[in-house]
Amino acid sequence: AQSVAQPEDQVNVAEGNPLTVKCTYSVSGNPYLFWYVQYPNRGLQFLLKYITGDNLVKGSYGFEAEFNKSQTSFHLKKPSALVSDSALYFCAVRDGGTGRRALTFGSGTRLQVQP
Amino acid sequence: DADVTQTPRNRITKTGKRIMLECSQTKGHDRMYWYRQDPGLGLRLIYYSFDVKDINKGEISDGYSVSRQAQAKFSLSLESAIPNQTALYFCATSGTQGRAFFGQGTRLTVV
Repeated sequence: AQSVAQPEDQVNVAEGNPLTVKCTYSVSGNPYLFWYVQYPNRGLQFLLKYITGDNLVKGSYGFEAEFNKSQTSFHLKKPSALVSDSALYFCAVRDGGTGRRALTFGSGTRLQVQP
Repeated sequence: DADVTQTPRNRITKTGKRIMLECSQTKGHDRMYWYRQDPGLGLRLIYYSFDVKDINKGEISDGYSVSRQAQAKFSLSLESAIPNQTALYFCATSGTQGRAFFGQGTRLTVV
């Protein structure tokens, strides 16, 4: 089985401060990990992914994520938050050991960036 | 044009009615998915298809059925809609590594 946990329903941060949105996962094989963002009344937009390689992955809009195998985590980070980053963020995982799986999503974390 | 197109975008229907949500994609992917989004629950997988002849149930398939009419088309049906199927529904498609491309969503309300 594969699963994802996003322990925070909401994260509040001031504009210009660094932000972190947490994600932990569970899979039997190697994890394929993803972050998506959802703006109001929109579909999900891809931010970044980790399949293999460097543990620090850079993505769209200045976001990055750090893969930590020992802690089974894939936290999303940004050095300096913008008000326009306020949105709903989803972490997702797929077991890379088998090709016959769909993505499993976390429950989402709402990021609120205050001016 | 969007890579993944869902119709309708919004629908209000009555309890007991049959309703179909349609999805088409231009990515050329074999894999297509239907997810449901509810507040606080994230996205939950309803059905997925890895090719035209391969349909699989997800974690919440009860009360739903699907049809894969072609590589590019994957429709979701609610045979007899009930109020707790009120939700935002997303269709998605992906390649083999799993990055998913999503449609804009269908907001379904069952009254």
